[in-house]
Amino acid sequence: SQTIHQWPATLVQPVGSPLSLECTVEGTSNPNLYWYRQAAGRGLQLLFYSVGIGQISSEVPQNLSASRPQDRQFILSSKKLLLSDSGFYLCASPVGGYTFGSGTRLTVV
Amino acid sequence: QKEVEQNSGPLSVPEGAIASLNCTYSDRGSQSFFWYRQYSGKSPELIMFIYSNGDKEDGRFTAQLNKASQYVSLLIRDSQPSDSATYLCAVNENQGGKLIFGQGTELSVKP
Repeated sequence: SQTIHQWPATLVQPVGSPLSLECTVEGTSNPNLYWYRQAAGRGLQLLFYSVGIGQISSEVPQNLSASRPQDRQFILSSKKLLLSDSGFYLCASPVGGYTFGSGTRLTVV
Repeated sequence: QKEVEQNSGPLSVPEGAIASLNCTYSDRGSQSFFWYRQYSGKSPELIMFIYSNGDKEDGRFTAQLNKASQYVSLLIRDSQPSDSATYLCAVNENQGGKLIFGQGTELSVKP
């Protein structure tokens, strides 16, 4: 069965600093992968999705970017964080009924 | 704009009662419908998904789908305090595609 790993679990970063969040998937090959963000008290917003290596689609114009350097690796990045980038970042894959990783809680201060 | 609507709640039910959670969606092309449970500070856990009109049962949970009315619901029988969480409804257009989420309904089960 599929397992989605995310790290770190929590992160506190100053405004203007860079960001790199990693998602790796085990138990499947070439899955579609998704990055969602959940702001405090809000629903999940799709940020990026990827159907394969090097293939990235952006859903919302923003301060973030994504990359897929390997089949089972999906990375979310920013060059300069904003306060509004704070939130709970979740990686997901539709394999096995659309499951999520454990998430990274980012606080920008 | 494709939308998924849920009552934010909180919905409060006594222990042992049936909790009924509702969701409507705007895109008639939606094909798959998902229910997630999310405890505070945790990632969403998949409860069940449904593709076809009618009911689908899994233990204490029953999902009901009515595509003509663009409506999907989740029933939780014999509700327990441990069921207290936010329940998220999500839909997608095609298998493996992106999900569109509702805002979630907060459920509180009182002992």
